[in-house]
Amino acid sequence: DQQVKQNSPSLSVQEGRISILNCDYTNSMFDYFLWYKKYPAEGPTFLISISSIKDKNEDGRFTVFLNKSAKHLSLHIVPSQPGDSAVYFCAASAPWGSQGNLIFGKGTKLSVKP
Amino acid sequence: GAVVSQHPSWVICKSGTSVKIECRSLDFQATTMFWYRQFPKQSLMLMATSNEGSKATYEQGVEKDKFLINHASLTLSTLTVTSAHPEDSSFYICSARDLRGRGYTFGSGTRLTVV
Repeated sequence: DQQVKQNSPSLSVQEGRISILNCDYTNSMFDYFLWYKKYPAEGPTFLISISSIKDKNEDGRFTVFLNKSAKHLSLHIVPSQPGDSAVYFCAASAPWGSQGNLIFGKGTKLSVKP
Repeated sequence: GAVVSQHPSWVICKSGTSVKIECRSLDFQATTMFWYRQFPKQSLMLMATSNEGSKATYEQGVEKDKFLINHASLTLSTLTVTSAHPEDSSFYICSARDLRGRGYTFGSGTRLTVV
């Protein structure tokens, strides 16, 4: 059973507009969430994270929103740029010492068109 | 920032041979490293958790005798794919957990093709 779900395998957005990538999780023990960006044949690159004690974290063009009651988080990219085109993975982590590894979603391929 | 170096970036080997992949944390000590595998259009799947000085913990369905993991120091973990078969062809990625926080840094990955 997938604990982290990214239900949209792909998303296409016009340059300059907002990209919204969604992620749902099922395990209430998760308390830390991360978004990674991945280009083909490369390792994931960390983008932004959020702790469960917050509901929003912002870093430049990237903002992550967390809705704990809905077990849902989203990544907003605004304005979107062609260089943002990549696969975005949502990942979740349980408290330190209990489950140290990340659980990844299947990823959403974002295409930003000029 | 934290850097994890992974080598080789790609390798082609003959069926039946073994391949070693190295993962080094360059500017921090990593007591725990993780090895993932990604098939095309799939998510990153955790294969095993490597702890310095002790045996690795393998996920269900991952053959420990086939995927040998050694974590001999705080900065180096290796994954050896033994007696490789074409179905082992995949993208292998390591990551290390930063001791200072909840951060994870990934290596650049290794594309393994078994012919």
